[in-house]
Amino acid sequence: GDSVTQMEGPVTLSEEAFLTINCTYTATGYPSLFWYVQYPGEGLQLLLKATKADDKGSNKGFEATYRKETTSFHLEKGSVQVSDSAVYFCALSLNSGNTPLVFGKGTRLSVIA
Amino acid sequence: DAGITQSPRYKITETGRQVTLMCHQTWSHSYMFWYRQDLGHGLRLIYYSAAADITDKGEVPDGYVVSRSKTENFPLTLESATRSQTSVYFCASSELWDTQYFGPGTRLTVL
Repeated sequence: GDSVTQMEGPVTLSEEAFLTINCTYTATGYPSLFWYVQYPGEGLQLLLKATKADDKGSNKGFEATYRKETTSFHLEKGSVQVSDSAVYFCALSLNSGNTPLVFGKGTRLSVIA
Repeated sequence: DAGITQSPRYKITETGRQVTLMCHQTWSHSYMFWYRQDLGHGLRLIYYSAAADITDKGEVPDGYVVSRSKTENFPLTLESATRSQTSVYFCASSELWDTQYFGPGTRLTVL
């Protein structure tokens, strides 16, 4: 079945470090891909998305490129801040049929000053 | 206020009691969802709805009941709460099978 696999956390980084959170997927057809972020005590919110191969989604300094050849959508940020501490979820949507978003299990990021 | 709201934000109940969690959205989105979030399991879909009066089971529907008589509301009922239903519950809505907008969550404790 369709699935999303994220690197397990927690990930702990110092402020201004480079961030990569790996995400790979398995899907039939051509999914849209998403990164959601959950700040402490809040619901999830969309961080960025990409709808087709080679698209790059970006927001708040975060980027992810839809790589069909490696079925990946890795999240990157060049210089993290303490305020980026959150749980990050990768997800896919099949764009057709009757299937809700499929989420990965989430990766907790802690950024220390 | 525009957006998606959940109530209550916190609830403590006892085993065997009926509990209803409320979800309300102001966008008139067609789709609404209920998830539970537990350590080690990520987000798990309980039920979803594509429109008023249309609901479908998700990954973990046992012990839960939903209804959707109006587009904007999607209540989730635990008919006889169990300790294993202690969790954080999130409601979400979307217009298409695409970007979902999440509520702030309800933290439920079953004693």
